[in-house]
Amino acid sequence: ETGVTQTPRHLVMGMTNKKSLKCEQHLGHNAMYWYKQSAKKPLELMFVYNFKEQTENNSVPSRFSPECPNSSHLFLHLHTLQPEDSALYLCASSQLGQRSNTGELFFGEGSRLTVL
Amino acid sequence: SQQGEEDPQALSIQEGENATMNCSYKTSINNLQWYRQNSGRGLVHLILIRSNEREKHSGRLRVTLDTSKKSSSLLITASRAADTASYFCATDNNNDMRFGAGTRLTVKP
Repeated sequence: ETGVTQTPRHLVMGMTNKKSLKCEQHLGHNAMYWYKQSAKKPLELMFVYNFKEQTENNSVPSRFSPECPNSSHLFLHLHTLQPEDSALYLCASSQLGQRSNTGELFFGEGSRLTVL
Repeated sequence: SQQGEEDPQALSIQEGENATMNCSYKTSINNLQWYRQNSGRGLVHLILIRSNEREKHSGRLRVTLDTSKKSSSLLITASRAADTASYFCATDNNNDMRFGAGTRLTVKP
């Protein structure tokens, strides 16, 4: 138990569906992240929220829409995805320190997404 | 985009042997971190080394950092079958955390 909880753990959806991934952190951290992990590829940083403000959006397609209603919760809304979007989506949180140090990332167990 | 690159991509050793994994990166960093991932699970933080540090130890783990060569190594001593996992380095550059593709370590009993 890392203090970061992701739901659902597994999700199968069609290309026309709308679904959401949820992440909750119980660590009092001030930053939250979405990463995408595809087979045999590096983790791709998708979004970063720092004190609920989005500070990073790495050219992610608009069919992925993040939402951070408060510092403990992070969502990833999914709409009209493609089969190549199938991957493990990992949420993480950290306590950003002074002088822009990220510190340790605490990851959830991930949401395994399959797009048919 | 990817920052760290691990080498080798895969490593297979016998229990009791040492395992060494390397990481190279391209830009300046605040710190470098190593993570472990069991298959299909989340990543777990192992150790963090700051840009002004050269070596750090934690249990059976030893990490080195050479900022002039932009490289780091992770040594796991006296490996165990339970050490079988993927290992990733991650570089922190002003709150931008980037990971490599990882080294898949297999420790045979």
